[in-house]
Amino acid sequence: NAGVTQTPKFQVLKTGQSMTLQCAQDMNHEYMSWYRQDPGMGLRLIHYSVGAGITDQGEVPNGYNVSRSTTEDFPLRLLSAAPSQTSVYFCASSFHMRDEQYFGPGTRLTVT
Amino acid sequence: GENVEQHPSTLSVQEGDSAVIKCTYSDSASNYFPWYKQELGKRPQLIIDIRSNVGEKKDQRIAVTLNKTAKHFSLHITETQPEDSAVYFCAASRDNDMRFGAGTRLTVKP
Repeated sequence: NAGVTQTPKFQVLKTGQSMTLQCAQDMNHEYMSWYRQDPGMGLRLIHYSVGAGITDQGEVPNGYNVSRSTTEDFPLRLLSAAPSQTSVYFCASSFHMRDEQYFGPGTRLTVT
Repeated sequence: GENVEQHPSTLSVQEGDSAVIKCTYSDSASNYFPWYKQELGKRPQLIIDIRSNVGEKKDQRIAVTLNKTAKHFSLHITETQPEDSAVYFCAASRDNDMRFGAGTRLTVKP
């Protein structure tokens, strides 16, 4: 099993550009989520999904969109990048929210 | 929404000593409390978790205690080793929402 994979590993964007961070898992997990990690602030939940076709907002959803068309994939879209979105982004998956979450390797995003 | 506070932000101990990290949460409906360890440049990994119907859980050198009345939970690491050096995050969850503490950087000096 590859577990949770994320692409790209690094990305630099200019303000106003859009992009999609990819996340995939091969563990047949129903629950998937996106977090951002900023220094001194821990991990903050952006969006989550409890199954294909179902998504919901987390703590910091503004500026991000998600969709879940398959169990395996959960992409995160930045519609118009802003410097405040400079962060490390982690995707995670689990069978259920109250189970061990398996994190991807992360994407380091810089917005200039 | 839920608010999780974690203390201390940094902790330095001698190898073999114990380390204790404390977290408080605000939402009495939270019912799942995991702890994650993140080594430098790596992804977070679960080390132990506890559910609201349990007061204490142990796994070898690691233990977690939960006080629902006071709304706080703690991570205890005994006989610390240099490889325990990392950032530790507590979290609290209700329904499908998870809130993390800001993290504790633990350094174990040989």
